Amino acid sequence: AQKVTQAQTEISVVEKEDVTLDCVYETRDTTYYLFWYKQPPSGELVFLIRRNSFDEQNEISGRYSWNFQKSTSSFNFTITASQVVDSAVYFCALIGWGGFKTIFGAGTRLFVKA
Amino acid sequence: GAGVSQSPSNKVTEKGKDVELRCDPISGHTALYWYRQSLGQGLEFLIYFQGNSAPDKSGLPSDRFSAERTGGSVSTLTIQRTQQEDSAVYLCASSLGTSGGAWETQYFGPGTRLLVL
Repeated sequence: AQKVTQAQTEISVVEKEDVTLDCVYETRDTTYYLFWYKQPPSGELVFLIRRNSFDEQNEISGRYSWNFQKSTSSFNFTITASQVVDSAVYFCALIGWGGFKTIFGAGTRLFVKA
Repeated sequence: GAGVSQSPSNKVTEKGKDVELRCDPISGHTALYWYRQSLGQGLEFLIYFQGNSAPDKSGLPSDRFSAERTGGSVSTLTIQRTQQEDSAVYLCASSLGTSGGAWETQYFGPGTRLLVL
């Protein structure tokens, strides 16, 4: 069975703090894809990143960075110098090879206070 | 518009009535997905269309739910004999469909908020 766990339900930080959102996944597939999505208060899910299981290279995009570790089945997301506009619900997701069904974690609600 | 659009944005209905939710994907996208987001169940996959292939209906929760996609573009999700537990936000997404898999970047619409009284 495939599963995505986001243990942090809510996180509250003060602007300019760094914050890491955890994601742990389970799958028996050797090829799979992992995703992070942002859902701001407007409700529309916004794609942030996709990684395939063969690419463990960490990625940085501006203030966002992702740490993919197959050894611990984790795909964590760090926001550096958080801003109020980062306040949203963040979802980690998984798709197995040849599959069409995206498995989402429960989401982590991030509050960034000014 | 350039993005995925959904209508209506909000729908209130009485238990037992049928509802139809519409999704207009991004022009040129051949893959289309429906999801449901509810407080109790989180984000759930419902159905996936890829071109003219038979849809993957593995996520539909019951036979009261059905979806079709006419002409490879617009899709309608129909819920028959609605129940209170159907209350949720129904999200539609589309992707290019060139890779043949759901791992492509999906672009989401704003959702339809359904309330069953």
